[in-house]
Amino acid sequence: NAGVTQTPKFRILKIGQSMTLQCTQDMNHNYMYWYRQDPGMGLKLIYYSVGAGITDKGEVPNGYNVSRSTTEDFPLRLELAAPSQTSVYFCASSYLGVGQPQHFGDGTRLSIL
Amino acid sequence: DQQVKQNSPSLSVQEGRISILNCDYTNSMFDYFLWYKKYPAEGPTFLISISSIKDKNEDGRFTVFLNKSAKHLSLHIVPSQPGDSAVYFCAAVGTGGTSYDKVIFGPGTSLSVIP
Repeated sequence: NAGVTQTPKFRILKIGQSMTLQCTQDMNHNYMYWYRQDPGMGLKLIYYSVGAGITDKGEVPNGYNVSRSTTEDFPLRLELAAPSQTSVYFCASSYLGVGQPQHFGDGTRLSIL
Repeated sequence: DQQVKQNSPSLSVQEGRISILNCDYTNSMFDYFLWYKKYPAEGPTFLISISSIKDKNEDGRFTVFLNKSAKHLSLHIVPSQPGDSAVYFCAAVGTGGTSYDKVIFGPGTSLSVIP
């Protein structure tokens, strides 16, 4: 009963490097989301998807890209890492729309140095 | 400008007593509210929710109260247990300018239940 799985759990990047944060869910949920959480702040929505092939921007999309080729996977891409992207990233999914309870992964802690 | 505020960063309560966590919001268009609990090194987990058409929702030891005129909601935990020690996030949902809903999270309140 895996739920939402995120990899890696930790990563250190140098400024200007790129990487992909992986997220997969095994609950056949149509809706998937990426959030970032900065210290002392709430979660902020980066991108979301309402189904395979459909994505849209959230509150803080700059510097990130996403794709949704399958129902299960929703990777988040950082093209040119910047120190401001140091954060904890959470992926989530829900069966119905975003107003419904979301199931979260355990997060990826990313540091940009 | 924070649309969802949790003005108490932390709260300590004795085991067996009531814990009250507060949340204030600014946008009257929010129509659904959720509480999530988060343990260290884990993702948030859903706890309880309430629709704006209700003023109270109860689930076991957890009750959420909504006061729309004051734009305020609170989460009551009775009785508090040491396992309730976690960070609690309030989240508000409203229909935005597009066809899809958006959710706004508060900064969280760290609850410590002292045995």
